[in-house]
Amino acid sequence: GQQVMQIPQYQHVQEGEDFTTYCNSSTTLSNIQWYKQRPGGHPVFLIQLVKSGEVKKQKRLTFQFGEAKKNSSLHITATQTTDVGTYFCAGYEKGNNRKLIWGLGTSLAVNP
Amino acid sequence: ETGVTQSPTHLIKTRGQQVTLRCSSQSGHNTVSWYQQALGQGPQFIFQYYREEENGRGNFPPRFSGLQFPNYSSELNVNALELDDSALYLCASSPGQGASDTQYFGPGTRLTVL
Repeated sequence: GQQVMQIPQYQHVQEGEDFTTYCNSSTTLSNIQWYKQRPGGHPVFLIQLVKSGEVKKQKRLTFQFGEAKKNSSLHITATQTTDVGTYFCAGYEKGNNRKLIWGLGTSLAVNP
Repeated sequence: ETGVTQSPTHLIKTRGQQVTLRCSSQSGHNTVSWYQQALGQGPQFIFQYYREEENGRGNFPPRFSGLQFPNYSSELNVNALELDDSALYLCASSPGQGASDTQYFGPGTRLTVL
């Protein structure tokens, strides 16, 4: 079955440093979504990418969808302590828009 | 806040018991998806309901069942609880069943099975 892998599993940075998490799917995705989950909280939708090669920015966050629609990345510039949390990618397998498959997430810790 | 509510927030059950978890969708949303999130893992899709019908299912046994009501609120029922069912159960509502529809998550119900 479809698998979505994320690396790294954990990342510890100094405030002000950049951070990137990578997401890879075993199959082609119809779209990719990114979520953030704070400790003890629930996933909060960040963004959705649909088109091959798409790049979207939200302030310090930059999201990319690969040309083959099998990988994606989230890059945070100049991290802040408010960025702490686990970042998940999730995607629908092409042709199946019912079952959202999630990666294991990347947990980000930021030292002030 | 997403407008999606879940009850109860925490629950402790013993192995073999049955549990019902509830979810109230955001106003105007006709689709509800349920997820199980074990500690340190990503959410795992259980099933989705669209206009009161089960619309898709993940790799969960039949003892996981659900309902969606005419007002689009939803229940997740788990029979014959096992220790491995201990997890955070999340529901997410969306305005439609399409892949492009954003899902809005509730705060979750944390179930502990002893």
